[in-house]
Amino acid sequence: DTAVSQTPKYLVTQMGNDKSIKCEQNLGHDTMYWYKQDSKKFLKIMFSYNNKELIINETVPNRFSPKSPDKAHLNLHINSLELGDSAVYFCASSQDLTRFETALNYGYTFGSGTRLTVV
Amino acid sequence: AQTVTQSQPEMSVQEAETVTLSCTYDTSESDYYLFWYKQPPSRQMILVIRQEAYKQQNATENRFSVNFQKAAKSFSLKISDSQLGDAAMYFCAYREYGNKLVFGAGTILRVKS
Repeated sequence: DTAVSQTPKYLVTQMGNDKSIKCEQNLGHDTMYWYKQDSKKFLKIMFSYNNKELIINETVPNRFSPKSPDKAHLNLHINSLELGDSAVYFCASSQDLTRFETALNYGYTFGSGTRLTVV
Repeated sequence: AQTVTQSQPEMSVQEAETVTLSCTYDTSESDYYLFWYKQPPSRQMILVIRQEAYKQQNATENRFSVNFQKAAKSFSLKISDSQLGDAAMYFCAYREYGNKLVFGAGTILRVKS
C-alpha cells in the first residue's frame, strides 16, 4: 500500500486555468505538507496542516489554497495558473513533533510528486 | 531563519569507491533532527539516513554513514562501495522541534562504471 499518494502525477494545463492536486496518507500521521520543487531542484515548503489546522503558510500567492477535509487528506487548489507555477509539487506527512515526547519516526514521508506544466 | 548549505553542486565517484557529500546548517537550537534524502530520476524522495542532534553517535545505515559535528554544525554523508544505483540528487535537510523541514540546494552524485 502506498503510504502517501498524490494525484495526478502529471498535469499539463493552460495559463489562467484552475487545477487541483490531491494527496492522501495512510500512515496515521498528524501533519501534512505541500512542498514546491522548482526547475533548479530547490525544495521549499508552501503549507503545513496539523490535524486539519493550518500551521505553516509560507510566502505563497493567495491563488494557492490548501484544503484539508480530514487529517489524512491535504489537497492543493491553484487558481488562475501562471507560467511560473510550473514545478514539481510534493505532498508529505509526518508525525507531530510539537508534542513533548519524541516521535518514533520523526522523518517525513513524501508522495511521488506532481509535475505541473503550465503552457 | 534556519539555513542548510550544500556547497557541492555536483560530485562524481567511481563504482565501488567512497564519496563524501558535505552539508552545513545554521541554527540556534540545541534539539533538532538532520536528514539525508535521495532523489533519483524517478523524482521520488527517499530517506537515506537520519540523526538526532542529542545523540553523539553517528548514524549508520548499511553503506551510508554520517559524520555529525554538532559544534561545527556539519552533517556530511559518506557512501561506501558506491553503486550505480546511488546516482541521484542528494538533499540534506534540517528539522527542529516543530514541523518544518528545511532543505539544502542538493548535490548531484554521478557514479562512473
